[in-house]
Amino acid sequence: QVQLVQSGSELKKPGASVKVSCKASGYTFNSYAMNWVRQAPGQGLEWMGWINTKTGKSTYAQGFTGRFVFSLDTSVNTAFLQISSLKTEDTAVYYCARISDASGHWGQGTLVTVSS
Amino acid sequence: DIQMTQSPSSLSASVGDRVTITCRASQGINNYLSWFQQKPGQAPKSLIYAAFSLQRGVPSRFSGGVSGTDFTLTISSLQPEDFATYYCQQYNTYPLTFGGGTKVEIK
Repeated sequence: QVQLVQSGSELKKPGASVKVSCKASGYTFNSYAMNWVRQAPGQGLEWMGWINTKTGKSTYAQGFTGRFVFSLDTSVNTAFLQISSLKTEDTAVYYCARISDASGHWGQGTLVTVSS
Repeated sequence: DIQMTQSPSSLSASVGDRVTITCRASQGINNYLSWFQQKPGQAPKSLIYAAFSLQRGVPSRFSGGVSGTDFTLTISSLQPEDFATYYCQQYNTYPLTFGGGTKVEIK
């Protein structure tokens, strides 16, 4: 069955960087787009953008340009989200998700806490 | 961008009640709409895709409907495990967009 397994929680200081991984299994990785979604504490779901798993091309939503980078390692069916120059307001749960199609599969989420 | 306006933002209901949540799309989305259920501390779970198709394993008390650009999620008889937050999401066009969520609480 389809599974998206993300890396564990992270505690970072402001200004640092973080890289979240999302390992996919149970389907052909490069046949489906991978999306990233942010959920700040107590808030709703916010789409960050997507990466084309065939070409590696990324598209970022407004508000997620510059410090946010999506990448892939197709040899191990894994997508990555890197956030640089972390700010306290980046504290959130970050999800990878296959939601560009009808499947609606989500990773379990990765909590990134930014605090001095 | 396609705006998804979800209502109500919260509701209180009792076990056994019939509950309906609405999402209005700002333009046509060809029924490319999903509904998700999220419980505290958990990832969203897909309930419905393509506006009214039930995901495998989802109880039949959940159903989706559509009328033009208005989409509904109905729970025919609310169960204790259904108290959660529900989101709609369109996947017709990038950027993908979500409704603001509906928190279903126990009356």
